[in-house]
Amino acid sequence: AQSVTQLDSHVSVSEGTPVLLRCNYSSSYSPSLFWYVQHPNKGLQLLLKYTSAATLVKGINGFEAEFKKSETSFHLTKPSAHMSDAAEYFCVVSAPGTYKYIFGTGTRLKVLA
Amino acid sequence: EAQVTQNPRYLITVTGKKLTVTCSQNMNHEYMSWYRQDPGLGLRQIYYSMNVEVTDKGDVPEGYKVSRKEKRNFPLILESPSPNQTSLYFCASRARGAGNQPQHFGDGTRLSIL
Repeated sequence: AQSVTQLDSHVSVSEGTPVLLRCNYSSSYSPSLFWYVQHPNKGLQLLLKYTSAATLVKGINGFEAEFKKSETSFHLTKPSAHMSDAAEYFCVVSAPGTYKYIFGTGTRLKVLA
Repeated sequence: EAQVTQNPRYLITVTGKKLTVTCSQNMNHEYMSWYRQDPGLGLRQIYYSMNVEVTDKGDVPEGYKVSRKEKRNFPLILESPSPNQTSLYFCASRARGAGNQPQHFGDGTRLSIL
């Protein structure tokens, strides 16, 4: 069985400071992991994906995530927040050979001027 | 432009009146899926389709139907909508392959059932 837990429902940072959005997963198999971003009244846009290649994954807009198997974590980071990063972020897990994607409950990022 | 198109984007209707939300993709993707998004619950999978005429239930299929007669289209049907189906709905598609393929999402359909 698979599951994903986003540890913070809301995160607030000041513009120009680092962003950390936390995600822990559970999977019986080596999973595929994704981060998506959702801006208001928009669909979900893929930020980055992990598919068992490099453990440090770089995505769009300066985001990156590190897969840590020992900690079953896939935290999303960005060195310097921008106002346009304010959105909701979803961590997603999928087991290989399946058609199921399990979404976390989301983290709403607020960026303060 | 590669895209997943949902219609309508917004709909207010009444209990029991059948409705269909259409979803179309232009990427020749085999896999398509429907999700509902509710506050504090993230996205939950309703139904998915691995190819034409092949569909299966997701985690919350009750009260919904789907069909996949053509590769590009995957409509979501609510035969007798009820207020607990008021939600934001997303259609998604992806190419053939294992679960490591990312999905492409439509812009969503906001349904209100009175």
